[in-house]
Amino acid sequence: GENVEQHPSTLSVQEGDSAVIKCTYSDSASNYFPWYKQELGKGPQLIIDIRSNVGEKKDQRIAVTLNKTAKHFSLHITETQPEDSAVYFCAASPTSFLGNQFYFGTGTSLTVIP
Amino acid sequence: NAGVMQNPRHLVRRRGQEARLRCSPVKGHSHVYWYRQLPEEGLKFMVYLQKENIIDESGMPKERFSAEFPKEGPSILRIQQVVRGDSAAYFCASSPASSGGTKTQYFGPGTRLLVL
Repeated sequence: GENVEQHPSTLSVQEGDSAVIKCTYSDSASNYFPWYKQELGKGPQLIIDIRSNVGEKKDQRIAVTLNKTAKHFSLHITETQPEDSAVYFCAASPTSFLGNQFYFGTGTSLTVIP
Repeated sequence: NAGVMQNPRHLVRRRGQEARLRCSPVKGHSHVYWYRQLPEEGLKFMVYLQKENIIDESGMPKERFSAEFPKEGPSILRIQQVVRGDSAAYFCASSPASSGGTKTQYFGPGTRLLVL
């Protein structure tokens, strides 16, 4: 089955700096890669996603890049703000006849220092 | 425009009791997924259901755990004879019917189960 690895597990940045979180996946059949933000005591919230036919996607201060050959994808947050502090999860979803199960990374706890 | 609803938000059970977790998907979504999250860990897939059908239960323990998504009403994740190791946050997600391509999953706020 699919195996998703995520690094780093914790990340501290100064407000205004950029933050980068990286994930690798193992199953070449994976074709959908969402990123979720989870705040304490809440459910994961989708912040951006990318499909395998696209190399990069941007939404304001958030961008995601995908390298299918190397099987890795990254989340980039620019001009970080204290409210960006949360745990971020990447996921990969392979195409299968059973539907789109998501395989999650272990999470990155991001702290933005004011 | 209600999102995924889960209840209860917190559930305390003693060892040996039953836990019932409910999930109402986004209106119009016919696919439901259950995930379990242990402290300081990522989400682990448990089961994928469509209305009245279990599509993939490969992540769900064979014993004590069951799930359903009836034609009417919420999806239910049922844990019988709970043990302390069942203590975790259980998240439900929903997506619309897939006409091709992977559909985004939208998560509920979770049910935090504590087994004493």
